[in-house]
Amino acid sequence: SQTIHQWPATLVQPVGSPLSLECTVEGTSNPNLYWYRQAAGRGLQLLFYSVGIGQISSEVPQNLSASRPQDRQFILSSKKLLLSDSGFYLCAWSHRQGGYTFGSGTRLTVV
Amino acid sequence: AQSVTQLGSHVSVSEGALVLLRCNYSSSVPPYLFWYVQYPNQGLQLLLKYTTGATLVKGINGFEAEFKKSETSFHLTKPSAHMSDAAEYFCAVSDRSNDYKLSFGAGTTVTVRA
Repeated sequence: SQTIHQWPATLVQPVGSPLSLECTVEGTSNPNLYWYRQAAGRGLQLLFYSVGIGQISSEVPQNLSASRPQDRQFILSSKKLLLSDSGFYLCAWSHRQGGYTFGSGTRLTVV
Repeated sequence: AQSVTQLGSHVSVSEGALVLLRCNYSSSVPPYLFWYVQYPNQGLQLLLKYTTGATLVKGINGFEAEFKKSETSFHLTKPSAHMSDAAEYFCAVSDRSNDYKLSFGAGTTVTVRA
């Protein structure tokens, strides 16, 4: 069966520090992968999506970047965090007409 | 392009009462529609989905939704609310012309009163 792993679950980082969040999928090949952010009261914001290795589409210009070094690995990064980067980050993979499966999320607090 | 509107950002119901969450969509092609539930500090979990066939779809935890093409709606219902139904609910539509990318509504937070 397919599973998605996302870590860490919580993270507290100082302003200006780097960020790396990792997401991996098991049990499927060539999935479409997504990074979302939830800020308080702002719903789900699509940040990046990828249809294959090295193929990244950015939905919103911002302080973050994404990479897909392997077929089932999706990484969200930042060189210098801002206070506004705080939020709940979710990774997901899509199985077309079946919708998305989400990871358990990372709560990022920038202090 | 697809879009979703969820009416009401907050819904409060009494335990045992009907839960009704409204979702309207716009889509240029026959839609695939989804409802997800999110508990605090967790990822989204699929409640139910409509792709083709029967327009009344049953999901987990006693929820169901009906696809009404004429009304472009996909409202979510549960006959009797339970305290464990307190969560945030998201409606979504799939863009079959854009690699099945989902467009989400803004979400509805449900609180259940004892």
